[in-house]
Amino acid sequence: DIVVTQTPLSLSVTPGQPASISCKSSRSLLHSDGKTFLYWYLQKPGQPPQLLIYEVSNRFSGVPDRFSGSGSGTDFTLKISRVEAEDVGVYYCMQTIQLPYSFGQGTKLEIK
Amino acid sequence: EVQLVESGGGLVKPGESLRLSCAASGFTFSSYGMNWVRQAPGKGLEWVSSISTSSSYIYYADSVKGRFTISRDNAKNSLYLQMNSLRAEDTAVYYCARQIAAADYWGQGTLVTVSS
Repeated sequence: DIVVTQTPLSLSVTPGQPASISCKSSRSLLHSDGKTFLYWYLQKPGQPPQLLIYEVSNRFSGVPDRFSGSGSGTDFTLKISRVEAEDVGVYYCMQTIQLPYSFGQGTKLEIK
Repeated sequence: EVQLVESGGGLVKPGESLRLSCAASGFTFSSYGMNWVRQAPGKGLEWVSSISTSSSYIYYADSVKGRFTISRDNAKNSLYLQMNSLRAEDTAVYYCARQIAAADYWGQGTLVTVSS
């Protein structure tokens, strides 16, 4: 099974400051078709997860451009250029190149 | 607007069964694979099961294989999860999510509690 590891597990950020979350997988998420099956989700308090980024770096519909994803192979990063109060919640990365699909442990973002 | 509404959760005893449903609207249900993902209280997300558009491909996490059965009825725009031999560790909010390998829309979830 692919293990997905996120760091840090918690983050406290002043509004307007940047934030970065790392996601590492135990094997490459690059498929032979050229796609990389790495996704980022945000779960706001009391809500279901919402898709932020698909295939490493593509923002989902309606996601603000302060969110960006990067990386390749086994190492990936989610960046928030200027954190806002509405960004609080738990961020998860997920791999879907191989069953069973797996999530990172989650990174809790709080506002200072 | 894409909508996914789960139902069927509740309190059951260990060893009992429960059937979850997910009603889909706002998109062509038969064109999308679907997933069940769960979240134990205060814990992270765990993928449970996926089903392809015509039910030809079905996948399960090892933790539920042999006990849970995923199915769908495209005529009714509905996804199901039959859960048998429930255990305390199955206690979780169960979410249905659209699209295998790139879950883009999620329902609000339904809580399943397994306790004696």
